[in-house]
Amino acid sequence: EAGVTQSPTHLIKTRGQQATLRCSPISGHTSVYWYQQALGLGLQFLLWYDEGEERNRGNFPPRFSGRQFPNYSSELNVNALELEDSALYLCASSLGTTFSYNEQFFGPGTRLTVL
Amino acid sequence: AQSVTQLGSHVSVSEGALVLLRCNYSSSVPPYLFWYVQYPNQGLQLLLKYTSAATLVKGINGFEAEFKKSETSFHLTKPSAHMSDAAEYFCAVNLGQAGTALIFGKGTTLSVSS
Repeated sequence: EAGVTQSPTHLIKTRGQQATLRCSPISGHTSVYWYQQALGLGLQFLLWYDEGEERNRGNFPPRFSGRQFPNYSSELNVNALELEDSALYLCASSLGTTFSYNEQFFGPGTRLTVL
Repeated sequence: AQSVTQLGSHVSVSEGALVLLRCNYSSSVPPYLFWYVQYPNQGLQLLLKYTSAATLVKGINGFEAEFKKSETSFHLTKPSAHMSDAAEYFCAVNLGQAGTALIFGKGTTLSVSS
């Protein structure tokens, strides 16, 4: 069974540009989570999508946004890139909210570098 | 609110020695606790999890952890380190309910020397 996949592996942008990161969850999983792993800041929760809707977000500005498609894949968009947005962005997926406990399975990440 | 503290950002052991990575948590409700491992340029792999069943949890690659409520700890151990164990290890906590975010510790880098 295929795991969580993310694309691209690496992404290089300049300050002020927009970045789009993609995630495909494990088959059967309806929830997708995004985390940011920035140097010195550790792993921080960004966003949670389930059944096509944003359900929760972490303490990040509105220029971090995304969506979830009908096939449950997800896109993370970062607008007006700043140097401190450089980080590894990890996507995780889990079973949906009808299940009482949902283990999160992580993808390999997208390394975003902002110059 | 929940939080996790990992004591020691870097731990060095010799091959064959005991591995002990420390994690203390804070949670107002019974927590679910996790240990993840991250190899260079890779995502996170779940080593083991505590979900309110047995307090001694066995995971993959010979790792285990014991949930101690009185000490609010969930330390990770392995009796004998292997070179391939060198990686970064993260302790995490959440409520275990759907959609609850994982709250991670800062991570501990494990180095193993021959």
